[in-house]
Amino acid sequence: SQTIHQWPATLVQPVGSPLSLECTVEGTSNPNLYWYRQAAGRGLQLLFYSVGIGQISSEVPQNLSASRPQDRQFILSSKKLLLSDSGFYLCAWSVLAGRASSTDTQYFGPGTRLTVL
Amino acid sequence: QKEVEQNSGPLSVPEGAIASLNCTYSDRGSQSFFWYRQYSGKSPELIMSIYSNGDKEDGRFTAQLNKASQYVSLLIRDSQPSDSATYLCAVNNAGGFKTIFGAGTRLFVKA
Repeated sequence: SQTIHQWPATLVQPVGSPLSLECTVEGTSNPNLYWYRQAAGRGLQLLFYSVGIGQISSEVPQNLSASRPQDRQFILSSKKLLLSDSGFYLCAWSVLAGRASSTDTQYFGPGTRLTVL
Repeated sequence: QKEVEQNSGPLSVPEGAIASLNCTYSDRGSQSFFWYRQYSGKSPELIMSIYSNGDKEDGRFTAQLNKASQYVSLLIRDSQPSDSATYLCAVNNAGGFKTIFGAGTRLFVKA
């Protein structure tokens, strides 16, 4: 079965510090990978998605970046955190999208709660 | 106009009652529809997916889809206090890589 891991689970960082969040998926090959952010009491905001190694699409211009160095590894980074970067960061995976079927379904990791002070 | 709209709630129902959660979407090309449950402080977990008009039942949960009205709903029968959570509606175009999530409806089931 497939599992998705995220770490760290919680993080408190000062403004202006760098960030690196990691996500790994087990039990599947060539997944689509996604980074979302959820602000307190808000919906999910898609930040990045990736359909393969080195292929990153950005949905929202911001000071964050993403990389996919391996098939089942997705990294979210920032060089300098802002207060507004605080939130719950979620990584998700799905198999290759195609006709409407179970392959469209996204599954979420446990998340990283980031507080920027 | 929001692409996926949900009533934010909170929706409060007594234990044992039917909870009805509703969602509308704007893109007529949408093909895949999902309901996720999110407990406070946790990540969303998939409850059901539905792709065709009509009803789909899974245990106490029934998803209903009406593409002509661009409407999808989730019914929870015999609601339990453990069902208290935020329910997210999500919509995807077949072949597309973006799934659009609603902001969620908070459900409280009173014991």
